[in-house]
Amino acid sequence: QSVLTQPPSVSGAPGQRVTISCTGSSSNIGADYAVHWYQHLPGTVPKLLISVNSNRPSGVPDRFSGSKSGTSASLAITGLQAEDDGDYYCQSYDTSLNGWVFGGGTKLTVL
Amino acid sequence: QLQLQESGPGLVKPSETLSLTCSVSGDSTGNRRYYWGWIRQPPGKGLEWIGNIYYTGSTYYNPSLKSRLTISVDTSNNQFSVRLSSVTAADTAVYYCARLFCTGGNCYLGDYYFEDWGLGTLVTVSS
Repeated sequence: QSVLTQPPSVSGAPGQRVTISCTGSSSNIGADYAVHWYQHLPGTVPKLLISVNSNRPSGVPDRFSGSKSGTSASLAITGLQAEDDGDYYCQSYDTSLNGWVFGGGTKLTVL
Repeated sequence: QLQLQESGPGLVKPSETLSLTCSVSGDSTGNRRYYWGWIRQPPGKGLEWIGNIYYTGSTYYNPSLKSRLTISVDTSNNQFSVRLSSVTAADTAVYYCARLFCTGGNCYLGDYYFEDWGLGTLVTVSS
């Protein structure tokens, strides 16, 4: 069981908006540690999608956005495209474990 | 351009030691701006952080693996390595090496994130 909780799956039609939640606790997100998001598409390497809660690395479309509040964070994807189909992971740091933690991952299906 | 390449045996017998090396090009493992790390993904499961290392040799391990884990860095050969002892089938996974970065000048350890990833290598534990 992951320290950061994500829904196992979300889905949406092309063009729609979906959000993926990442729920932590007072020892990670709630301790003011940043949340980062990674996109893992089939047959590819995990890729940094959002850093430090809401920053998009160069080359990441502005359809992807991140936010954080309290002990939770969210990834929003607007204008869904077929190529967005894949797995998405949140990541933070946990003071109880003294280490980096990932969410369990969310499978995004573009219908 | 940064490149990270994992190498090592793809098959390890139960109870033996898994050993992988990440060769770095396009940057130096002696660069004090970065940490270097290992992550794995068992078949059909999510990502699991294994551990990180700094150029000084300071290490940070996943508590669930700590008793079996050793991560080292070789700045002269620009690589870093992971050794996991007493492996079982549960250690079968794709193993990724990665470079960690943080945004801003004064970063705490927890500010670092996995900016760049290697291609990954599948390690199967089986007799």
